[in-house]
Parts: sequence; structure tokens; C-alpha cells
Amino acid sequence: EAGVAQSPRYKIIEKRQSVAFWCNPISGHATLYWYQQILGQGPKLLIQFQNNGVVDDSQLPKDRFSAERLKGVDSTLKIQPAKLEDSAVYLCASSVGTGRPQHFGDGTRLSIL
Amino acid sequence: RKEVEQDPGPFNVPEGATVAFNCTYSNSASQSFFWYRQDCRKEPKLLMSVYSSGNEDGRFTAQLNRASQYISLLIRDSKLSDSATYLCVVTHSSASKIIFGSGTRLSIRP
Repeated sequence: EAGVAQSPRYKIIEKRQSVAFWCNPISGHATLYWYQQILGQGPKLLIQFQNNGVVDDSQLPKDRFSAERLKGVDSTLKIQPAKLEDSAVYLCASSVGTGRPQHFGDGTRLSIL
Repeated sequence: RKEVEQDPGPFNVPEGATVAFNCTYSNSASQSFFWYRQDCRKEPKLLMSVYSSGNEDGRFTAQLNRASQYISLLIRDSKLSDSATYLCVVTHSSASKIIFGSGTRLSIRP
């Protein structure tokens, strides 16, 4: 079974620039999650999708972050404009349903200069 | 107070030892509980779900104490390969709210 695919693996941008991350979940997984993990901390949930609907985006900084999962499969997370404090690993995960064990992708390591 | 708290460690124990750590949560409506393992610069990987009656998977035992609002992870006969950060995860409100702890670092020495 193919795992969760994420790209790119690494990204370096300057502050105030834009960046986008892509995630392809495990086939058949209805629930997709985006997390931000800052060094030394646990992952923080940014947004959770159930199919193409948003279940929870209470911790998504909506003034600069956006995410979509238009066809209920792939998802993109965008940051515009980036700030220095956005430097982190962005993890995508999927599960068969809400409250079920999650499978994570390798993550995208974002550095803001 | 954080919603989910873990002792950051590090726990430094010799190979073959038994080690246990807890994770406390503040919301009594929490419904699902998990332990994940995260190696340095890698993604979290599911270690085990935590069931109300407690559950065991080889050398690993997970328990839930709803009265005191904590979950625990016990590792017996620890191996060098068990060195990692262990993250607890708590979900509530129909699984729409998911909170990771900050993790407990475990280091097994030869």
C-alpha cells in the first residue's frame, strides 16, 4: 500500500513570499490532516478535512494560511505571505475516518529567511 | 495548563530496563487516545491505540485511566532501537479536535 505522499521535501523562501505544499493521502482515506511541527514541539493540527469538507480549522491562521481539498483526494496548503515564525515541518496525514489512527507523510521542511 | 501534557524527559535508561511514562489530559470528554513514535527528523508513526481496558503489543503496554485523566505507556526489555520521542494524542468532540503532546524523549544506552 502506498503511503501518504508529500512534496516538496524541502523549501527555502524569504519572508513575505508565498509557498504551497501538496499532499496525496492513502487511497480510500476519507480524512486528511495538515499539521505544523516546530522544532522541539508536538505537531499542531492546522486543518482537518473529511472528504472535501472542513471538519476543524480552528488553529489555522486564516489571514495567511489556506488549504483546499477540492475533489476529496489531494490537498494543498498555502502560506501567503510567509513570516519567520512559519519555519517548521509541515506534515500531512490521512486516516480512514475521524478519530482513527493516522498515517503521516515525510513532511515538508520549510525555512524562512 | 496545556490540554495534553507530557514529561519532556529525556529518559535515559539501560538496555533491557523497563520504562514507563504518562500523558495527562485536561478534557474529560476526550474519546480516543493513541501513542505515536517519532524518530529524529522523521514523521510520527503510530505505535498503538489505547483502549479503555488497556492493551498490549509485544513489549509495549498502554493503559487509560479516565478517573485521573491520563494514559500511560510501558516498555519492557527496552532495546536500543526504542530510542525515540513518544507522542501521545488525544481526540475529543467527535474526533474533530486532535491534540498532540509535546513528546517524551527516550534514550536507551548499551
